[in-house]
Amino acid sequence: KAGVTQTPRYLIKTRGQQVTLSCSPISGHRSVSWYQQTPGQGLQFLFEYFSETQRNKGNFPGRFSGRQFSNSRSEMNVSTLELGDSALYLCASSSGGAGANVLTFGAGSRLTVL
Amino acid sequence: AQSVSQHNHHVILSEAASLELGCNYSYGGTVNLFWYVQYPGQHLQLLLKYFSGDPLVKGIKGFEAEFIKSKFSFNLRKPSVQWSDTAEYFCAVDGTYKYIFGTGTRLKVLA
Repeated sequence: KAGVTQTPRYLIKTRGQQVTLSCSPISGHRSVSWYQQTPGQGLQFLFEYFSETQRNKGNFPGRFSGRQFSNSRSEMNVSTLELGDSALYLCASSSGGAGANVLTFGAGSRLTVL
Repeated sequence: AQSVSQHNHHVILSEAASLELGCNYSYGGTVNLFWYVQYPGQHLQLLLKYFSGDPLVKGIKGFEAEFIKSKFSFNLRKPSVQWSDTAEYFCAVDGTYKYIFGTGTRLKVLA
């Protein structure tokens, strides 16, 4: 079955612009979570959605937002981009049900802010 | 606060050497623990997981990890590494509707 699909894979923006990233989860997965990956920082949790509801949010400023659609696809938006927002943004999906869940990751969207 | 610590940021080994990567977590409650690996140019993928039961778990490519509850540790081991094990390794704990990841360990295996 198809994996987690993220688009776009690469993008370059300038400071002050905004960006929207998209994630299509594995078919049947209802949970989508987003992570920011930077060298030396590992993966920092942004937010998690399940059935269109945000269940948890990380410690990021309000410029970072997300949403999930009824088909479980998710988008995240970053407004007023800063140089420090340059990173690999990873989306992961899981069944999201009670108990332990295994995340399946997409390839990521690499954002460069100039 | 929930956290995961990986003690080694960069490790360089020769082929056939043994590997042990340290991971300690801080989390109050029942833990589910994971090791993920990111090979150059590839997605993050699951290496192994611990949910319950036998604290020694085996994963893909000959990797194993041992959950030691008293030490809050989940160290990754491999008796004999190969050049193809060159990758970045992440330890993670399953929190409330989120994973908490360590900062990663870059492993370079010299042929």
